[in-house]
Amino acid sequence: AQTVTQSQPEMSVQEAETVTLSCTYDTSESDYYLFWYKQPPSRQMILVIRQEAYKQQNATENRFSVNFQKAAKSFSLKISDSQLGDAAMYFCAYRSADAGGTSYGKLTFGQGTILTVHP
Amino acid sequence: DVKVTQSSRYLVKRTGEKVFLECVQDMDHENMFWYRQDPGLGLRLIYFSYDVKMKEKGDIPEGYSVSREKKERFSLILESASTNQTSMYLCASSLSPWPYEQYFGPGTRLTVT
Repeated sequence: AQTVTQSQPEMSVQEAETVTLSCTYDTSESDYYLFWYKQPPSRQMILVIRQEAYKQQNATENRFSVNFQKAAKSFSLKISDSQLGDAAMYFCAYRSADAGGTSYGKLTFGQGTILTVHP
Repeated sequence: DVKVTQSSRYLVKRTGEKVFLECVQDMDHENMFWYRQDPGLGLRLIYFSYDVKMKEKGDIPEGYSVSREKKERFSLILESASTNQTSMYLCASSLSPWPYEQYFGPGTRLTVT
C-alpha cells in the first residue's frame, strides 16, 4: 500500500516571500500521479497542481511549482510571491495510474500542512 | 463549473442514531468518494463507488455503509453512530478513469454526543 507523509504540520511565510511545503511518499509502482490540494478555511478542497510520474519536467501553475524527485520519492510544493489568500491547509496526494485496474482514481492523502501567511 | 454539494454543513447526532450524509454532483461523474478528515491524519477513504449500485471499501469502512441508487447521488450511512465517528466528512467525485482530478464538496462536520 502507498503512504504519503507531510512532515511539517505548520508553516508560515511573510507576504510576497517564497515557501516550500514538503511531501514524501512510498510506493512500489513506477507509474502514478501526485497532487497538491488546498483547503482554505471555507473548507472547499481545490486542486492546486498535479504531476505525472513519467514526466521529468516539474509542473508549474502560475505562482505554484513542484520539485518532483522520483528516485527520492519526494514531491515538494513551492509557492512564490505568497499572498494572504494562500493561507490554507495543503494536502499532498498520491494516485496510482493502475491502467485497467481497480483503483478507480483513489487518492491517498498526507496529513496536511497548515500554511499561515503574515502581512 | 463542477459542483459537489453535501446535505449539511453541521450535524449533531446522539450515540446510536442512524445518520445519513448525502452528496450530490452535477457533472455526470462516474466515480464518487467519501472521506473523513481528522487532525493529524489527513483524509482517509471510507468508501467509493465507480458506478450506480457499485461500491468498494476504502481504508476505513468499519461502522459505515453507502448507497448509490442514482449516478449523481452518493450517500454515507452510519448505522449506529458512535462518538469516535465525530469528524469532518468530505465527499468527492471524478470522471473515469483518469487522470481527472477529484472535485470536493464543502464537507459536513458531524458531532456525535
